[in-house]
Amino acid sequence: GQQLNQSPQSMFIQEGEDVSMNCTSSSIFNTWLWYKQDPGEGPVLLIALYKAGELTSNGRLTAQFGITRKDSFLNISASIPSDVGIYFCAGQLGNTNAGKSTFGDGTTLTVKP
Amino acid sequence: GAVVSQHPSRVICKSGTSVKIECRSLDFQATTMFWYRQFPKQSLMLMATSNEGSKATYEQGVEKDKFLINHASLTLSTLTVTSAHPEDSSFYICSARDLGPKQPQHFGDGTRLSIL
Repeated sequence: GQQLNQSPQSMFIQEGEDVSMNCTSSSIFNTWLWYKQDPGEGPVLLIALYKAGELTSNGRLTAQFGITRKDSFLNISASIPSDVGIYFCAGQLGNTNAGKSTFGDGTTLTVKP
Repeated sequence: GAVVSQHPSRVICKSGTSVKIECRSLDFQATTMFWYRQFPKQSLMLMATSNEGSKATYEQGVEKDKFLINHASLTLSTLTVTSAHPEDSSFYICSARDLGPKQPQHFGDGTRLSIL
């Protein structure tokens, strides 16, 4: 089946720093999604990308759908303590795959005040 | 919009008990819902795809008779862990998709299941 390689696995940064994480796949996706999960809760959708090359922002978050449709990155600018959590990328083919998403293994972000 | 409610948030029960978890899409209709299991510090492991009005599709290695799924309406899917044992203890999360080819999944807040 399809697999996503998400990196880095974990990051320890100082408050105020920028963060970048990415996902790559050996096969293409039609949709890329980025989620954040806080401890003991379900993932929350941050950004959805629907077209190759698309660059979308949500506040301090920016994500891009790679031109090849096999990768995506998420940037967080000027990090703050509440950015702490696990970030997951997910790729979707759409209804052709019953709407399933393939998830990366997550990037655990720690922000030091 | 796109709110998914999962209940209960935490269950502690004795071995041999059956536990039912509900997943509701509150402000949209979901023909497809998904059930995941998550172990500590790991990613989401898809257990099954729940289809409204039809049988669920289970992933390889997931026991159908152990994890019963019912998707009786466009807004409700249930997962029943039958005769639960300590090894079934885990964090279970549901998600739901709105109608349409590119709709993302929206997740519930998860259920922490602890079997004594």
